[in-house]
Amino acid sequence: DVKVTQSSRYLVKRTGEKVFLECVQDMDHENMFWYRQDPGLGLRLIYFSYDVKMKEKGDIPEGYSVSREKKERFSLILESASTNQTSMYLCASNRGIDTGELFFGEGSRLTVL
Amino acid sequence: KNQVEQSPQSLIILEGKNCTLQCNYTVSPFSNLRWYKQDTGRGPVSLTIMTFSENTKSNGRYTATLDADTKQSSLHITASQLSDSASYICVVSLNAGNMLTFGGGTRLMVKP
Repeated sequence: DVKVTQSSRYLVKRTGEKVFLECVQDMDHENMFWYRQDPGLGLRLIYFSYDVKMKEKGDIPEGYSVSREKKERFSLILESASTNQTSMYLCASNRGIDTGELFFGEGSRLTVL
Repeated sequence: KNQVEQSPQSLIILEGKNCTLQCNYTVSPFSNLRWYKQDTGRGPVSLTIMTFSENTKSNGRYTATLDADTKQSSLHITASQLSDSASYICVVSLNAGNMLTFGGGTRLMVKP
C-alpha cells in the first residue's frame, strides 16, 4: 500500500521556535510538495522539489525553507515560527509531470502560540 | 489569473439523497481536472481525473462531468452515505508540468 507519512500529526510551538516537519514517501516518486491548508483559502503551495537537492518556491514560500537530501524525504522548516503560521500542513508526492495524481500525507496540524 | 471556484462552500443533505457539487475554472491551457475527497483530519484522496476530451467519468456512486467549452465540472453523488461527509476539492492542472490550481473545496455533511 503506497504511503506518504508525516512525522507529526499535531504540534504546539512557541513564537520564535524552529520547527521541522518531516515527510517520507515509499513510492519512489520524483516530486514532493508542501502545502498549507487554511479555512476559506484552500491548499496553497509552499515549496516543491522535483529531484534530490532541488527545490522550487511555490506561491507562499516566505518564512519557510525546505530540504531534500534523499529522494524519499522532504522536510519543511520554519526558522522562526510565528502565529500566522498556525495551520494544517500537507505533504504530497507524485511521479513525473503527466496526469500527476497527488498522494497526500495525513497532515500536520501546527499551532504557534 | 488562473482560478478555480467551487460551489457551494458547504452543503447538508440527508442520507440517501443525491447532490451535485460545482467547479468552475479559468485555468488555461488546461490539461486535466481532478476531484479529491478529504475526510476530516486526513489528507485528500483522488476520486476521478478528467482530461480535455472526456465528458463524464464514474467511480462508484461518484460521477464527474466536464464541459471544457464552458470550463465547468460537476461531481454528482448518488444515494449519499454518512461516509460521504467530507470536503471535496477540485484541482485543475495546467498543460505544463506540475502546475496545479486548487479550488477552495465544498464541505459536505450527510445527516442520518
